[in-house]
Amino acid sequence: DAMVIQNPRYQVTQFGKPVTLSCSQTLNHNVMYWYQQKSSQAPKLLFHYYDKDFNNEADTPDNFQSRRPNTSFCFLDIRSPGLGDAAMYLCATSRGVWGQETQYFGPGTRLLVL
Amino acid sequence: AQKVTQAQTEISVVEKEDVTLDCVYETRDTTYYLFWYKQPPSGELVFLIRRNSFDEQNEISGRYSWNFQKSTSSFNFTITASQVVDSAVYFCALSEEYGNKLVFGAGTILRVKS
Repeated sequence: DAMVIQNPRYQVTQFGKPVTLSCSQTLNHNVMYWYQQKSSQAPKLLFHYYDKDFNNEADTPDNFQSRRPNTSFCFLDIRSPGLGDAAMYLCATSRGVWGQETQYFGPGTRLLVL
Repeated sequence: AQKVTQAQTEISVVEKEDVTLDCVYETRDTTYYLFWYKQPPSGELVFLIRRNSFDEQNEISGRYSWNFQKSTSSFNFTITASQVVDSAVYFCALSEEYGNKLVFGAGTILRVKS
C-alpha cells in the first residue's frame, strides 16, 4: 500500500543536541509537509516542499530546517532542541499545492527533549 | 481570515450511542475545501473526508455521515452506533482554493465507553 513512513516513531534527545527526523513516501506526491503538534493542540505547519521548492511558514523558528534530497524523502533538522520543542512531528504529502488536494499524514515521531 | 471552530472540547458517549461532532468555519473565499481527520491514540492523522464548497450533498460512509450547510457555515460529523474504536481526537480543517495550507480546528476528543 502506498503510504507515508516516519522514522523513528519515538526520539529522545538532549537539550541542545541536534536531531534529525525522517519521512519517506511511496505515493509519489510532489508536496511534502512538516507539522509540529504539541499536546492537546492542533497540528501547526512548519514548512513544506513543492518538489524542490522550499516554503517556510513565517513563524517557524530558525532552529528548524528541512531537506528534501529526492521526491521520496524529506528530513526535519532541529539544530538545537529546547524543552519547548518536545512535540509530535507529523509529515504529510499531497499531489499538488491547490486547496483541493488532500494531505495524507504519516504516523508521526514523538520527540522528547531531556 | 480563515478560522475553524470546534466548540466541543471533549465528548463522552456509551457504545452504540450516536454522536455528532460540530464544526463551524469562516472564510471569505467562495471556493474552499473542508476536511475531517481522525487522530487515534497512536498519533497518525487519518483522512476521513473532503468536501468542496460547491457540493452541499450530505455524505454517508458506513457509520459515518457528514452534514454540510453553507447557510450556517457548518460541516458536522455524525457517528452512528459508536464503537470503542471510534475513540480519538477528530479535527475539522479548511483550505482555500489557491493555497494548500490547512487551517485546523482545535479538535474534539471523543471517548466511547463500553
